[in-house]
Amino acid sequence: GAGVSQSPSNKVTEKGKDVELRCDPISGHTALYWYRQSLGQGLEFLIYFQGNSAPDKSGLPSDRFSAERTGGSVSTLTIQRTQQEDSAVYLCASSSRHAHSYEQYFGPGTRLTVT
Amino acid sequence: SQQGEEDPQALSIQEGENATMNCSYKTSINNLQWYRQNSGRGLVHLILIRSNEREKHSGRLRVTLDTSKKSSSLLITASRAADTASYFCATDVRAAGNKLTFGGGTRVLVKP
Repeated sequence: GAGVSQSPSNKVTEKGKDVELRCDPISGHTALYWYRQSLGQGLEFLIYFQGNSAPDKSGLPSDRFSAERTGGSVSTLTIQRTQQEDSAVYLCASSSRHAHSYEQYFGPGTRLTVT
Repeated sequence: SQQGEEDPQALSIQEGENATMNCSYKTSINNLQWYRQNSGRGLVHLILIRSNEREKHSGRLRVTLDTSKKSSSLLITASRAADTASYFCATDVRAAGNKLTFGGGTRVLVKP
């Protein structure tokens, strides 16, 4: 089926505004991840959902960041009162966690620019 | 510092040459994965090597893992211009479940 999709692909917002980023994982994948990548840098883990378990929010940089996953499928990452340092590419990945296989499938990302 | 760190940070080679990049990590792992990223967007999984494996091949890719040195290498043989990308290693740390920790990446430029 289709891969991981993210929307929007690009988002320009003014400092102080809220933004919502969406991720549609691969159907049937129980695990979903959000990462942030600043220009020329590696990936920074933000949050991890696994099935019905409580999400691992240990990577969220501040309380302005939150995420939810409805019905075990679509996820939304919300950034409130955006700051210029929030500018980055936000990547979503999903995986089908079964024995010995932890490959993650990434979406194309949302490039967020805060002006 | 990061769990996974790649070396070198950047690599420039001629088409047909081999490209080798290394990854070092700090804590015990379940597995180590290599990903490729084109143009700063989504990552593509290349290969996964488990902690009890020492070498793995996939097409023109060869990955080694030395758990005693906590290091891995990715070799791309007979490189092509299309191999130009950033390459990241990611470790699946036992204590952190299935959460991957990515290194800073190696930017590879293959000149035609």
